[in-house]
Amino acid sequence: SYELTQPPSVSVSPGQTARITCSGDALPKQYGYWYQQKPGQAPVLVMYKDSERPSGIPERFSGSSSGTIVTLTISGVQAEDEADYYCQSADTSFNWVFGGGTKLTVL
Amino acid sequence: QITLKESGPTLVKPKETLTLTCTFSGFSLSSDGVGVGWIRQPPGKALEWVALLFWNDDKRYSPSLRNRVSITKDTSKNQVVLIMTDMEPVDTATYYCAHRGLRTSSFDSWGQGTLVTVSS
Repeated sequence: SYELTQPPSVSVSPGQTARITCSGDALPKQYGYWYQQKPGQAPVLVMYKDSERPSGIPERFSGSSSGTIVTLTISGVQAEDEADYYCQSADTSFNWVFGGGTKLTVL
Repeated sequence: QITLKESGPTLVKPKETLTLTCTFSGFSLSSDGVGVGWIRQPPGKALEWVALLFWNDDKRYSPSLRNRVSITKDTSKNQVVLIMTDMEPVDTATYYCAHRGLRTSSFDSWGQGTLVTVSS
């Protein structure tokens, strides 16, 4: 079955830049999406179609895509950005899939 | 404002069938491109996509669950129903329903989720 691979954890100090990657063989042909999930809460969409930011999401969140990797970048990380982040995409048969999640720790 | 809310049993026994209802407002499931999906999350684990129903009644299922799940809609009631058969303890999870938007092509609004425990 198709898989999206994320690093289990990323740690940064406040004000630094956090980059969370997601790799998958179908990503050159399918968009990547990113969700933020804080403890006890439902996920929130923070990036769609690789690099589009939904309304209400701070400008410090950005997205990019290169080949088989999509990246979520958080510039000037704040304490409130500490959360789990999940990438999501689809395989070539348009079955949706989530990555394993990355825990972002703000030191 | 789009809202979704999941409802159903919190406890089911092994081998039983789970029926969950997603009641939504703020959008129509008759509108082009719109969909409602189900996603689950076992305690302490990652999100897992389960099923997606589009405005035109096109239905997509996770390959790993395809033999056990079905998704239907009642447009007049603004509800989407997920049925999962032959429940096992590994199916214990928080089940979310979410709105799939035309513009974002992704799950841009989520319900609060409902925890379903499978235990005898």
